[in-house]
Amino acid sequence: SAVISQKPSRDICQRGTSLTIQCQVDSQVTMMFWYRQQPGQSLTLIATANQGSEATYESGFVIDKFPISRPNLTFSTLTVSNMSPEDSSIYLCSVAGQGVFKAFFGQGTRLTVV
Amino acid sequence: DAKTTQPTSMDCAEGRAANLPCNHSTISGNEYVYWYRQIHSQGPQYIIHGLKNNETNEMASLIITEDRKSSTLILPHATLRDTAVYYCIVRLSQGGSEKLVFGKGTKLTVNP
Repeated sequence: SAVISQKPSRDICQRGTSLTIQCQVDSQVTMMFWYRQQPGQSLTLIATANQGSEATYESGFVIDKFPISRPNLTFSTLTVSNMSPEDSSIYLCSVAGQGVFKAFFGQGTRLTVV
Repeated sequence: DAKTTQPTSMDCAEGRAANLPCNHSTISGNEYVYWYRQIHSQGPQYIIHGLKNNETNEMASLIITEDRKSSTLILPHATLRDTAVYYCIVRLSQGGSEKLVFGKGTKLTVNP
């Protein structure tokens, strides 16, 4: 299994500002993913964070709004840029090792934009 | 990519078995069925997965029909702590990038 630490666990931000969320894993992992969960909704995949290359974004998500870094096999960051109230969500980091795909999730970052 | 259909909500009495159905009629031969759950205010938690055969672990059992078009997750003795949203997911694999696509899931409420 993998232990995932996300920081911050929650934040309240002013519109127009940016927030960087950190995801630290206790072991080296191949795949890291970022999800968004809007209030009362299911999880939506934002992007796959690739080590050593640019992130792969899902339809509807762009790098300018959600820049991602993946400097090594245990760490990634997601930035929510130029925030608006519609960005108020829980943002979750997920990791998976090689082989059969079994994902582990962080506890999430609860973001409120005012 | 195979889609899944689950009931929006279900109730179960504490101590009884909870049987959560999932339809995945467009599943392809090499796609796995995964189950995750999300307890309120927590990240999703892996429960079990399977390809063709029935599977059992310490948390649950997974029954997959012979034609693989549907499956059932069984929690043999549900407790109040099993109250959560349960997601049935068919594994996606595109261009070597393994990812999970979550549907709306089933909100299971275990009642005392």
